[in-house]
Amino acid sequence: ELKVEQNPLFLSMQEGKNYTIYCNYSTTSDRLYWYRQDPGKSLESLFVLLSNGAVKQEGRLMASLDTKARLSTLHITAAVHDLSATYFCAVDISRGAQKLVFGQGTRLTINP
Amino acid sequence: GAVVSQHPSWVICKSGTSVKIECRSLDFQATTMFWYRQFPKQSLMLMATSNEGSKATYEQGVEKDKFLINHASLTLSTLTVTSAHPEDSSFYICSATPGQVNYGYTFGSGTRLTVV
Repeated sequence: ELKVEQNPLFLSMQEGKNYTIYCNYSTTSDRLYWYRQDPGKSLESLFVLLSNGAVKQEGRLMASLDTKARLSTLHITAAVHDLSATYFCAVDISRGAQKLVFGQGTRLTINP
Repeated sequence: GAVVSQHPSWVICKSGTSVKIECRSLDFQATTMFWYRQFPKQSLMLMATSNEGSKATYEQGVEKDKFLINHASLTLSTLTVTSAHPEDSSFYICSATPGQVNYGYTFGSGTRLTVV
């Protein structure tokens, strides 16, 4: 059974600081997604990582994927308050039946 | 980009009644749609995978007779919560994929169900 684990689950940081959220998964997959969820809202797609070594950046967020280590990271640079949200990674095990398995989520709070 | 519309956004119903939630892909055809449930401060749990023209595939522990899924067309899937009880109160989210790898999965806006 595929397990997806995020670390940390809660993160409180100050504006201007850098930090990294980690996403580990237990079985082979070469597709990983990062989503943002604001309170009471659905998911907003941030990144789609499709191959080993993939790196994508959008604004202050950068995501990477290491399929050999079964690890993805979401790096936040010079955090701003607007980035406060819950971030989920999700792993696609579309071999046979399509299925997306989510991590527990990381609740990020950025303080002014 | 791919857009998925979900209705209603929120619904309050009495115990014992049924509620239907619709999920539509607006600008692409989705042979497969997915239904998730999210309890407060928890992650998304896949309930079932809905395939156009065939029976849904339910995840372990999800009662298929309680959560009826219909995927009658390439753009519409519905989830009906039958004989709802307060413990069914949750945030229900659908998603769909055009099937092209680069698009990934697009999520609907979610439905907040409260059973009283």
